[in-house]
Amino acid sequence: AQSVTQLDSQVPVFEEAPVELRCNYSSSVSVYLFWYVQYPNQGLQLLLKYLSGSTLVKGINGFEAEFNKSQTSFHLRKPSVHISDTAEYFCAVSAQVDQTGANNLFFGTGTRLTVIP
Amino acid sequence: KAGVTQTPRYLIKTRGQQVTLSCSPISGHRSVSWYQQTPGQGLQFLFEYFSETQRNKGNFPGRFSGRQFSNSRSEMNVSTLELGDSALYLCASSRSSPDSPLHFGNGTRLTVT
Repeated sequence: AQSVTQLDSQVPVFEEAPVELRCNYSSSVSVYLFWYVQYPNQGLQLLLKYLSGSTLVKGINGFEAEFNKSQTSFHLRKPSVHISDTAEYFCAVSAQVDQTGANNLFFGTGTRLTVIP
Repeated sequence: KAGVTQTPRYLIKTRGQQVTLSCSPISGHRSVSWYQQTPGQGLQFLFEYFSETQRNKGNFPGRFSGRQFSNSRSEMNVSTLELGDSALYLCASSRSSPDSPLHFGNGTRLTVT
């Protein structure tokens, strides 16, 4: 089975500063990786996904993430954050081997990003 | 293309009552999953339905049940409500392939008093 660890439960950062939200996963098989964002009183929205190919993935709202297989990490980065980036961010992993299409998505516990003016 | 629609957005119930939540997936999506989100437990997987059949199930008591209709719309039911059932219930749909992401609705906020 897969698992996801988001080491930082809360990350405060000043406006226009860079940010990195960390995500590590554990799996014995190849995986697909996702980052979701949740704004207050809303559902989760897909930020970006890694399926294959280039290890640097670009998403919406200026976010990007880098897949590092040797370190089993998929950290999310943004060079300059805005107040509107304040939200909860979830990393998720699913196994490639499961071709049934069944939902085998495992979520991390989330990182609350707070952008300080 | 319309997104995932969940109704109602807010619900207040009393302990012991039962509740039914509804989810309409994105057109063409045949898989519907349900999650419970609470501050203490985070996102917890309830179950997944595909072609009107429960395909996957999380670790929740039998008071939590669901179903899916032929048009892929789904409902979940919670019977004999407990205070601890207060949560945001999220529905997500997908194309049901390993690389297809989940698309979430805005959730139903259930408060049990």
